[in-house]
Amino acid sequence: QSALTQPASVSGSPGQSITISCTGTSSDVGGYNYVSWFQQHPGKAPKLIIYDVSKRPSGVSNRFSGSKSGNTASLTVSGLQAEDEADYYCSSYTTSILFGGGTKLTVL
Amino acid sequence: QITLKESGPTLVKPTQTLTLTCTFSGFSLSTSGVGVGWIRQPPGKALEWLAIIYWDDDKRYSPSLKSRLTITKDTSKNQVVLTMTNMDPVDTATYYCAHRPGYSSGYQYYFDSWGQGTLVTVSS
Repeated sequence: QSALTQPASVSGSPGQSITISCTGTSSDVGGYNYVSWFQQHPGKAPKLIIYDVSKRPSGVSNRFSGSKSGNTASLTVSGLQAEDEADYYCSSYTTSILFGGGTKLTVL
Repeated sequence: QITLKESGPTLVKPTQTLTLTCTFSGFSLSTSGVGVGWIRQPPGKALEWLAIIYWDDDKRYSPSLKSRLTITKDTSKNQVVLTMTNMDPVDTATYYCAHRPGYSSGYQYYFDSWGQGTLVTVSS
């Protein structure tokens, strides 16, 4: 199984919104609503920010939202803040677990 | 509060077997639905799932690494052990263990808590 496909980098200015895509297949992203997203700052462990495509864990800012259409899931970060600058990974969890290649978000 | 901590050697030689231990607190691996997984991340690269063990002792492995991996649990000690045989320099990475939540209105399919990770370098 191949990793999920994410853009290598995205950028935006403070206050703007950005969207990160995560493309898989009908056997993973498209077939189940088990897509999650993780935020990782340099030297830190990943942090869960979205699960089950669009649910937010307690304590995660509502500026983070998730969606899915067909075989592509998306993470939107609205009202960009400097602290959002990090790497973001999507994941599909079925009988096997896949991660995306990661996207570096730069806040300009 | 759920915590997980990885431990093991920081340096292994090529062809050796790596043994990593995940020691956790705040949950039980005998609770329905709970799982503990291992994920690694080579320096500057993406996350890669390795293996997961569930409360009922079901085990799943990454297809590409299955022949080299073994995952076991010791519920009484709150530990999960991962062994990886025939280590190679390309296996140099930070290795994380992570918690999958238990059954709650259905089984859960995500990792909600992660350990701090442990860097393993493979070099002669």
